[in-house]
Amino acid sequence: DVKVTQSSRYLVKRTGEKVFLECVQDMDHENMFWYRQDPGLGLRLIYFSYDVKMKEKGDIPEGYSVSREKKERFSLILESASTNQTSMYLCASSRRLAGESYNEQFFGPGTRLTVL
Amino acid sequence: AQTVTQSQPEMSVQEAETVTLSCTYDTSENNYYLFWYKQPPSRQMILVIRQEAYKQQNATENRFSVNFQKAAKSFSLKISDSQLGDTAMYFCAYLRKRGGSNYKLTFGKGTLLTVNP
Repeated sequence: DVKVTQSSRYLVKRTGEKVFLECVQDMDHENMFWYRQDPGLGLRLIYFSYDVKMKEKGDIPEGYSVSREKKERFSLILESASTNQTSMYLCASSRRLAGESYNEQFFGPGTRLTVL
Repeated sequence: AQTVTQSQPEMSVQEAETVTLSCTYDTSENNYYLFWYKQPPSRQMILVIRQEAYKQQNATENRFSVNFQKAAKSFSLKISDSQLGDTAMYFCAYLRKRGGSNYKLTFGKGTLLTVNP
């Protein structure tokens, strides 16, 4: 079974703190993703990475950065947390396949971040 | 840009009955995938069913089936014989099909389904 794990289920931080959210997958997937989930807004892509040290911005990258130093690990960084970043953060991973094959995204359990 | 619309924020159904969740999408592409994901309370999101746009036959997975209407850009999910464990948030999602980088899922806002005993 594919396993995607996230370092914390719940996190409480203060405004202005630097926050690290960690995600690890054990299936040697090339692609990794960070989403933000808010009620009434669904899931929105923050950043994704298609290889080690490679990253691309998603739909809402402002206020976030990412790091992918190893294939299995993808970190989301909030440089200076703000209250409007209070949300559920979901990590996902998928294989990168040649041609036009489908590559399912597998999700982690999520980290519920509260910024006070 | 692609958009996915789920017009029903919440729905409820009695156990053992059938329920249909609606999804419409907007795209100018001809090749793409559509998905329904399920997110149970406090649990991980999992894939329920997927549909390839070029396939006319509607996908089916046990009690879950879809009604894919490509011309109308509609992709509804039917759950038959609803069970208490089907209580979850359901997300409709779209994926553009474009080779090795077909990565970006676009999600709807979700429908919260409650199955009542």
